Formats: sequence, C-alpha cells, structure tokens
Amino acid sequence: GAVVSQHPSWVICKSGTSVKIECRSLDFQATTMFWYRQFPKQSLMLMATSNEGSKATYEQGVEKDKFLINHASLTLSTLTVTSAHPEDSSFYICSAPPLDTQYFGPGTRLTVL
Amino acid sequence: GDSVTQMEGPVTLSEEAFLTINCTYTATGYPSLFWYVQYPGEGLQLLLKATKADDKGSNKGFEATYRKETTSFHLEKGSVQVSDSAVYFCALSAPPGNQFYFGTGTSLTVIP
Repeated sequence: GAVVSQHPSWVICKSGTSVKIECRSLDFQATTMFWYRQFPKQSLMLMATSNEGSKATYEQGVEKDKFLINHASLTLSTLTVTSAHPEDSSFYICSAPPLDTQYFGPGTRLTVL
Repeated sequence: GDSVTQMEGPVTLSEEAFLTINCTYTATGYPSLFWYVQYPGEGLQLLLKATKADDKGSNKGFEATYRKETTSFHLEKGSVQVSDSAVYFCALSAPPGNQFYFGTGTSLTVIP
C-alpha cells in the first residue's frame, strides 16, 4: 500500500527554537497533504491542509505564523513550528490521499523543554 | 457540519470475547467511512473502509457495515486477541474537500 514517511520521529528542543518536520509520500504524488495534532489519549485535530504550489489552508484557531507549512513538491510537505514553547509539545501527524483513502505518516513526537 | 461520534472507552475484554465499538456519523453529503487503528507508539493504519450504503468493510477479522438508515458504522470482531489491543478511530471523508473527520478514539485492551 501507499507509504507516507515523517522525519524526525522524535525531536526534543529548547523553548524559543524552531523545529521542522518533513512529510513525504514515498510511492505516490500528493497535491494535498494534511497536518494533524494529537494530544495524549485524544483524537486527531486537523491543523491545516497543505496544497502543492499554493498557500496552506489553516483550520480555525491555528496560528499560521506559528505553524508554517510549505508544500514544495508533489511528494514533500514541511511543518515548521516557530518559536516553540512547552505547550506546543505534542504528536504531529501528516497524511496524504492518493485516492479516497488517507495514508498517515508514523507521526513526530515534539517535546519542547 | 460533518462529524463522527464514537463510543468512549477504555474497553477491556478477555481474549476471544466479542467486540463492538459504536460509531455514528453526521454528514450532509454521501461520505466514505473508515476505521483506523493506532497501535502503541505507532501511527494510524487503515483497518477497513466502506464507500457507500450497505457496503461492508472487513479486514483481519474486523467488520463494519455502512448503515445509512441509522447513520452508523459500528466495528465488530467475533473473537479478539491480545494483539488487537490498540486505539481505534472511526472517521468519515466527505466532499467537496474530502477532509477527514475523526471520532475521539476508543482504547481497547485485551487481556489473556
């Protein structure tokens, strides 16, 4: 089946620094990718829709200046958490739809000290 | 708007017990319905799906039937195993943007 990868799988950073998370579709092209945030023991919250060649679409309440999304190619989307703070610590998951099914990356655990 | 309501957990069952996790949905159009599973420390994996009314999705002994009359997509398995311990998410995808809406997830623990 389709594979979506994420890098890194776990990152620990100091408060105030920026962290970039990559999401790649390995065997298909994706004009659209999605970024989710998952809090412990909770469901996934859609943060934004990443569109290749155009600006991302952010969900209500998500700070676009804090969570920068770039969809540079048909196989790569990046999420940059700028000036990270401890409350940004979470599990970030990306997904891509080759057809009508979403394939999810394994997630990136961000810990901000 | 579109949404999914899922049975809250956690659910604890003995091995070989019957499993049902309820899921109902609200959608203005004609959604596709999904069950995803998340094993400890891993990402989400598609378990099964159904794209139209009366379709039955099945995989690894799990089944769910798309019931338009009751707007439900309950997940069932006749005999659970310890290896089925995970968190299960019900989800729907609907046009125009095919955005996914997830339920809150149900944690299942199967004990020997």
